[in-house]
Amino acid sequence: KNQVEQSPQSLIILEGKNCTLQCNYTVSPFSNLRWYKQDTGRGPVSLTIMTFSENTKSNGRYTATLDADTKQSSLHITASQLSDSASYICVVNRGSTLGRLYFGRGTQLTVWP
Amino acid sequence: NAGVTQTPKFRILKIGQSMTLQCTQDMNHNYMYWYRQDPGMGLKLIYYSVGAGITDKGEVPNGYNVSRSTTEDFPLRLELAAPSQTSVYFCASSYSDRDYNEQFFGPGTRLTVL
Repeated sequence: KNQVEQSPQSLIILEGKNCTLQCNYTVSPFSNLRWYKQDTGRGPVSLTIMTFSENTKSNGRYTATLDADTKQSSLHITASQLSDSASYICVVNRGSTLGRLYFGRGTQLTVWP
Repeated sequence: NAGVTQTPKFRILKIGQSMTLQCTQDMNHNYMYWYRQDPGMGLKLIYYSVGAGITDKGEVPNGYNVSRSTTEDFPLRLELAAPSQTSVYFCASSYSDRDYNEQFFGPGTRLTVL
């Protein structure tokens, strides 16, 4: 069964600290994996996309990693800011004709001052 | 460039009522999608469209209908609302359905059916 599992479900950290969010998937075949940030009351916004051949990709303070062999991805946030408080969603694309996407449930991150 | 806009932002319906969720995009995207996001769950695809006049079912289409008369608009119709349809509804669009094309999401409509 094609699934995307994220952990932890929620996380609270202090401003300035680092954190790592995890995503495990069983989706097959695999085309790419995106991390989205969803602010409260807003739609998801793409942070980064990882393809099969990529191991690491950075977008400012966000660094995503992908291990396609173990079907795991992580999103590392460095020097967290209050504005990082959001839900982070892992989305895996099967790469089928219709671009089938599988969404994780998200990790709710709260950054405290 | 407003991107993807949705109206209304909030709505409360009684069981059996009907309503239309509006979605408009100004990016000239061919592909448009409707998702629902239940509390603590991942987004589920309801319907999608690959262009004006062409729509197809997604993973959870029961209880919904869509139409696509223009490139810009993709309304979602709820007939005979049920409590199970209480959810947050997101409209999205993309330039194409190629693997690496990003979907751009609207702000969502929070619907409660009582």
